[in-house]
Order: sequence, then C-alpha cells, then structure tokens
Amino acid sequence: DVKVTQSSRYLVKRTGEKVFLECVQDMDHENMFWYRQDPGLGLRLIYFSYDVKMKEKGDIPEGYSVSREKKERFSLILESASTNQTSMYLCASSFSHNTDTQYFGPGTRLTVL
Amino acid sequence: SQQGEEDPQALSIQEGENATMNCSYKTSINNLQWYRQNSGRGLVHLILIRSNEREKHSGRLRVTLDTSKKSSSLLITASRAADTASYFCATASGGSGNTGKLIFGQGTTLQVKP
Repeated sequence: DVKVTQSSRYLVKRTGEKVFLECVQDMDHENMFWYRQDPGLGLRLIYFSYDVKMKEKGDIPEGYSVSREKKERFSLILESASTNQTSMYLCASSFSHNTDTQYFGPGTRLTVL
Repeated sequence: SQQGEEDPQALSIQEGENATMNCSYKTSINNLQWYRQNSGRGLVHLILIRSNEREKHSGRLRVTLDTSKKSSSLLITASRAADTASYFCATASGGSGNTGKLIFGQGTTLQVKP
C-alpha cells in the first residue's frame, strides 16, 4: 500500500514563527503536492513538485515556500506564519506525469495564534 | 481556479437509499476522478474514469461521464452509515504539458442516517 505521512496531525504556532510541514511518501512517486483546505473553498493547490529540486507554484503560493531535496520528501515552509494561514494542510503524491491517482496524507491542522 | 462544481453541496439520506452526486467542469479533460474524505482526514481515491469512457463500476459505486455536457455523476447504491463523508470530483486536464495536477471541486457532504 502507498503510504504518505505528514509530520504532525495538529500544530499550534504563533504569528511570525517559521513553520515547517513535512511530507514523506514511500512509493518512489515523482510528483508531490501541497494543498490547503478551508471550509467553502475546497482544496487549493499551494505548490507542487515533479522531480527532486523541482518546484512549481500552484494557485496560492504567496506566503509559502517548498523544498524537495530528496525524492520521498516534500516540505512546506511558512516563512512567517500569519493567522490567515490557519488551515488544514494536505500533502499528496502521484506516480507519473499522466495525472495518475493522487495519494493523500492524513493532513495537518495548523492553528496560528 | 476551481474547475469542478459539485451538486448538491450537502445530501442527507437514510441507510439503504441510493446517493447521487454530480460534478460539472469547464475545460477538456484526460480523466475525472472521485475521492472521499472522512471528517478531519486525508482524501482517499475511489474511482477514475477516462475521457473515452462513459460508465465505470466499482463495488457499490457507479460513475458516469458525459464529455459533451462536461459532467459526471457518482452513484452510491444501498448506502450505509459508514458512507458518511465528503466526496470530491477532480479533473486532470487534457492537452500537452501535463504536469500531474488535479483540480478539485468543492465537494458534496453526504450524511447517511442509520
């Protein structure tokens, strides 16, 4: 079974802190994605990566950066957390460029105070 | 930008009844996928239907795709309380330059009452 793990289920941070959310997949997938999910807005793509050290902006990259130094790991970084970044963050991975099935982690619920 | 629009936003039925959810999209697609999300958890892939397919079955799930109307439906037959979840459609764009991105709808929240 494909397994996508996220470093924390729940996280509470203060405004201005630097926040790291980590995602690891164990199926040698090329593609990895970070989404945020908010009530009434559905899933919105923040960044994605289709290879090591490659990254592409999604629909809402502002306030975020990413790092992919190894194929299995994709990190989302909030350089200076703000209250409007309180959300559910979901990581996903997929096998190929051919829009294959995405496999999701359990999510990290981040609260910024 | 949101491509998939789902209808209804919320659905409440009794156990044993069928549940139908609809998804409309705007641009050409390679495939359309349905995902399920239990409260507070990640999404789980249910079924994928390619643009050259019209209907697909998986257990109690039946998906149809009408590319002329740019719409899809998900039917869950003989629903169970455990089917209570949110259901999302997701589209993979057609054409070249495919990057593996999916565009998700806003989801239908299904409640199945025992």
